[in-house]
Amino acid sequence: EAQVTQNPRYLITVTGKKLTVTCSQNMNHEYMSWYRQDPGLGLRQIYYSMNVEVTDKGDVPEGYKVSRKEKRNFPLILESPSPNQTSLYFCASRAEDYGYTFGSGTRLTVV
Amino acid sequence: ILNVEQSPQSLHVQEGDSTNFTCSFPSSNFYALHWYRWETAKSPEALFVMTLNGDEKKKGRISATLNTKEGYSYLYIKGSQPEDSATYLCAQIKAAGNKLTFGGGTRVLVKP
Repeated sequence: EAQVTQNPRYLITVTGKKLTVTCSQNMNHEYMSWYRQDPGLGLRQIYYSMNVEVTDKGDVPEGYKVSRKEKRNFPLILESPSPNQTSLYFCASRAEDYGYTFGSGTRLTVV
Repeated sequence: ILNVEQSPQSLHVQEGDSTNFTCSFPSSNFYALHWYRWETAKSPEALFVMTLNGDEKKKGRISATLNTKEGYSYLYIKGSQPEDSATYLCAQIKAAGNKLTFGGGTRVLVKP
């Protein structure tokens, strides 16, 4: 089944403790992206990648890192999470001229 | 228009009625417009990708049109059904690439 898999689905962590949210797609898509969704603010792009080793900042990249060492994986790294990064996160992938396929989401709480 | 805007924010539709709503976006450096459907407790699902001025796309009872010169797109739902209840998002890509800017969405509630 064609899908984007992100883990974990739910995570509660403490301020400053590094964490990684994994994202993997099995559709050989070139483009991958991370979004956060906050009430009243909609979906905002954090980082995106157009291919292996090609990444760029979205609208809200502060406090996040990404890497794209393989085409299928695009992890999101929070080096020192803070409470304002509490949010619902989505990973997504797409091929050129197609819409995004989204993962199931990761609900992160930073206390 | 500086950002991607959607109107109205929400609307209630009687089952069987048709409805439409708007996505407005900056017309300069237009590359593509995406439409997504997002049901509660699920992930967004792609409906359409539109690139050319005058494009019209259709999927079942849902269709969309695109005017890149004036910077707007309409999404139409014909004969609304309760299962059409969802938030509909549009998103713009400016210039070739992957930087996607989403609108705030139109939340549609279809009443039986």
